[in-house]
Amino acid sequence: SQQGEEDPQALSIQEGENATMNCSYKTSINNLQWYRQNSGRGLVHLILIRSNEREKHSGRLRVTLDTSKKSSSLLITASRAADTASYFCATDPQRGSTLGRLYFGRGTQLTVWP
Amino acid sequence: DTEVTQTPKHLVMGMTNKKSLKCEQHMGHRAMYWYKQKAKKPPELMFVYSYEKLSINESVPSRFSPECPNSSLLNLHLHALQPEDSALYLCASSQEGLAEFYEQYFGPGTRLTVT
Repeated sequence: SQQGEEDPQALSIQEGENATMNCSYKTSINNLQWYRQNSGRGLVHLILIRSNEREKHSGRLRVTLDTSKKSSSLLITASRAADTASYFCATDPQRGSTLGRLYFGRGTQLTVWP
Repeated sequence: DTEVTQTPKHLVMGMTNKKSLKCEQHMGHRAMYWYKQKAKKPPELMFVYSYEKLSINESVPSRFSPECPNSSLLNLHLHALQPEDSALYLCASSQEGLAEFYEQYFGPGTRLTVT
């Protein structure tokens, strides 16, 4: 399977704390993306990091990518109760086609307590 | 307008019924996707349309029939479904680039229950 694997599967923290989620994958990729999903709703794109990038920031989000270890991490700083959701990494495997197939990992369920 | 809309939000159908799920986007995206998501599982790709042509079918059973009438619309026709097909069906769209893959924009999904 080319799916990413998130770690941990569930994370429970207090408001104001930082949350770190990790993702490992198996094949070479064009890019890796992180998505968020509130319970039973559609996914929202958070950040895309290309294979030649090592770190990217967006607001309270920080994503790192280590292609040698085939892993990525998502850091949410100063978490809020509204950050409670499932977070998925998704990989776009290197292929001849430019049309991306996204493979989603199993996700991390983040719960932020007020 | 950065929204992908899906109708209906909820659908209950019997195994002998025929129904359709609809998806619409007005972002000028030329790639559209159908995903299936079971509870506590990641989304699984079903179909991809590129420039209104089916480009990927991930070995989906024929009881699911996609259709792309124009660049803004995507349908999923359902017929003779099984209870195990009950899931959240997500539609997504994205731009296409020559060298890069763009993020996908997802609709809120249709919660399908097959009785």
